[in-house]
Amino acid sequence: EPEVTQTPSHQVTQMGQEVILRCVPISNHLYFYWYRQILGQKVEFLVSFYNNEISEKSEIFDDQFSVERPDGSNFTLKIRSTKLEDSAMYFCASSTFRDRGPAFSGYTFGSGTRLTVV
Amino acid sequence: AQKVTQAQTEISVVEKEDVTLDCVYETRDTTYYLFWYKQPPSGELVFLIRRNSFDEQNEISGRYSWNFQKSTSSFNFTITASQVVDSAVYFCALSGASGNTPLVFGKGTRLSVIA
Repeated sequence: EPEVTQTPSHQVTQMGQEVILRCVPISNHLYFYWYRQILGQKVEFLVSFYNNEISEKSEIFDDQFSVERPDGSNFTLKIRSTKLEDSAMYFCASSTFRDRGPAFSGYTFGSGTRLTVV
Repeated sequence: AQKVTQAQTEISVVEKEDVTLDCVYETRDTTYYLFWYKQPPSGELVFLIRRNSFDEQNEISGRYSWNFQKSTSSFNFTITASQVVDSAVYFCALSGASGNTPLVFGKGTRLSVIA
């Protein structure tokens, strides 16, 4: 079964450093997403991406965050200057079809990248 | 705005007991999708079920069953004869029918099944 692949699985970085989290969505999916889960809390939406541009973003997704699909297969989340509160699990997801009729099969999530900012 | 409420923060049951996890949602969309995900201690999100708003038929999959009631905006999840391996955090989630609508999660219910 097709998977969404995220790398790395764990990353430790120093406060103020830039990090790039990588994702390879399922190849025929059209929508891509990043979600964040601070330890012990709920999964929160960050951003959705369609047709090479951001479709929607939450208030969490401020200027320190950016997303990119650099080569048609990877989907990256960049955090420019990490803060301690950016420590979290980051999930990438992708979904099928622009038209969410009965054929919509839902979201496929990657296994996550656990980011620790020290 | 869409919202999902999981009022039960933590539930603890003894193995073989049945347990129901509650989920109440709010949406102004007439077409929407409801989901349940399991998050084991390893941290990944495991998809359990998706339900369309226009299909209120309840579903059973092995020991798992789901009760969708539009009249009360609820999508409850029951585990029959619980097992220790069911111990996890369970999230209910909601999305609209537009491609731009993100998936909105509830806060999750931590289920502990004690042997």
